[in-house]
Amino acid sequence: EAQVTQNPRYLITVTGKKLTVTCSQNMNHEYMSWYRQDPGLGLRQIYYSMNVEVTDKGDVPEGYKVSRKEKRNFPLILESPSPNQTSLYFCASSFVGRTNTGELFFGEGSRLTVL
Amino acid sequence: QQQVKQSPQSLIVQKGGISIINCAYENTAFDYFPWYQQFPGKGPALLIAIRPDVSEKKEGRFTISFNKSAKQFSLHIMDSQPGDSATYFCAATYTGTASKLTFGTGTRLQVTL
Repeated sequence: EAQVTQNPRYLITVTGKKLTVTCSQNMNHEYMSWYRQDPGLGLRQIYYSMNVEVTDKGDVPEGYKVSRKEKRNFPLILESPSPNQTSLYFCASSFVGRTNTGELFFGEGSRLTVL
Repeated sequence: QQQVKQSPQSLIVQKGGISIINCAYENTAFDYFPWYQQFPGKGPALLIAIRPDVSEKKEGRFTISFNKSAKQFSLHIMDSQPGDSATYFCAATYTGTASKLTFGTGTRLQVTL
């Protein structure tokens, strides 16, 4: 089954404790991205990657890091989480170039609470 | 800076009615306008999309109307059903692809019996 898998789905942590949210896709997509969803603000892009070893900042990158060492994986790292990073996070992926269908495939989300 | 403005924030429609969600954009370089549907506890999923060379696209009960000169596009859901109750996001990008999408703030639609 084609899917984007995020882990953990739910996490409660404390300020300053480093955490990683993993994302894996099995569709051989070049493009991967992280979004955060907050009430009244919609989906805002954190970071994206056009391919392995190619990453770039989105609209709200402060406080986050990413890496793309393998095509299928795109982890989101919070080095020192703060309460304003409490949010619902989504990983997404798609093709680019000639194989692009214009569709972005989302994972089911990771709800993070930072106390 | 909100590049894609979406309204209303929430919408209640009776079963069988027409649901209308509007979006406006500022960046004239945008060339791909998808709508995503999100059910509670799930990630958004592509519903329907349009490119600026057409003014309307219809898929079943869902229609996108696109007004390039006004920089506006809207989603119409005909014969709305309780199963349509979800949050809807409009989006836009200048890449012509699904990358670098800028999303609207979302509309929570509730279809009542």
